Order: sequence, then C-alpha cells, then structure tokens
Amino acid sequence: GQNIDQPTEMTATEGAIVQINCTYQTSGFNGLFWYQQHAGEAPTFLSYNVLDGLEEKGRFSSFLSRSKGYSYLLLKELQMKDSASYLCAVAFNTNAGKSTFGDGTTLTVKP
Amino acid sequence: GAVVSQHPSWVICKSGTSVKIECRSLDFQATTMFWYRQFPKQSLMLMATSNEGSKATYEQGVEKDKFLINHASLTLSTLTVTSAHPEDSSFYICSARTRRGSYEQYFGPGTRLTVT
Repeated sequence: GQNIDQPTEMTATEGAIVQINCTYQTSGFNGLFWYQQHAGEAPTFLSYNVLDGLEEKGRFSSFLSRSKGYSYLLLKELQMKDSASYLCAVAFNTNAGKSTFGDGTTLTVKP
Repeated sequence: GAVVSQHPSWVICKSGTSVKIECRSLDFQATTMFWYRQFPKQSLMLMATSNEGSKATYEQGVEKDKFLINHASLTLSTLTVTSAHPEDSSFYICSARTRRGSYEQYFGPGTRLTVT
C-alpha cells in the first residue's frame, strides 16, 4: 500500500527556520508535492520535486531523496502568516496523474 | 493563469436531499479533474478521477451511486451528493490537471457542505 508520514504538529518562532519532514513508502513514485493550506481554504502549490536534491524558491526550499523515500520543506525567516497546514503528496507514475496526500503538518508560528 | 472555481462555496441542506457542486477551469481546458473530501483536521482524501466524456474512476470505498460525477466538458465537472446524510458533511475540493502527463493540479477554493 501507500504510506506517507509527516509530523502532526510543529511550533516555531517568528523569524526562525523550520524543517518539515515527510517520508514515504510507495510504488510507482514519480515526484513529491508540497502544498500549503490555511484553515477553510484549498491547498496552494509550493513545490514539486522529481529529482534528488534541494530546490530553493524564495523563503521556501524543498528537498528530495528518492533512494531514502524522504523529503523536507524548509521555511526560512518565518512570518506569522506561515501558520498553516503543510501537506506533502506523492504523485504516481501513471497516466491518471493521481496524488496521495499525507495527513499534513500543522505549523504554528509564535511571536 | 490556471484558475479553478467551485460553486457554491458553502451549502446547507436537509437530510435526504441532493446537492450539486460545480467545478470549473476558468482559463484552461482540464483533461482531468479530481474530487477530494476533507474532514476537519484531516488530509485530502481522493474520491474520484473525472475525465471529460468518460465515466469517473472512483477510489475504493467511495459509493459511485451516492457521489455522482459528470464531466460534461473540458471546463466543467460536477459532483452530486445524493440522499445526503449528516456524515456527508465535509469540505469538498476539486482540482484540475491541464494536460496528460502533467502532474501539477490546480485546486478550486472548496465547497463546505453541511447536512442537517
């Protein structure tokens, strides 16, 4: 079956750096998404990693290791508005283009 | 670009009635649309994959006769919750894929359904 794990909750301080980990055990892996979701809203796209390595996009960076089944999302210079749920999702290597989502990590940024 | 809308944004209905939710891609043609359900403090659960002009593919455990999906055009998919019950109350989110071979999904804003 498909198994995606990420921490349930994390707390960090404004201005700090936080790393949210995601591990997965899936078959037919194509790539891994990170989404941000504020309460009551739909997810918004942050990143999509297919190859190993770190991809940086402003304050957010995402890392993937396919051999280890591991990814992380790195948030720098945290702001209060970064308080949200962060979802990692595995995209499968099929024409259907389906993704399976982890349970999400609720990040709380404190002053 | 790649904007997806949903209508209505929220709806309250009585047990036993049916509710239709629309998902539209506003500035692109969506070869595939996905319907998700999300309960409070839980992640997105894929309900079905909808392709224009063909029958939807439902995930295991999702009743296709209860959750009717129609993908009438490349810009519109509808989800009808039939004979709704309070346990169907949830946040329903659609997403659209722009082309085959693309894995990125563009999400609609979601529809909050409350069944009383």
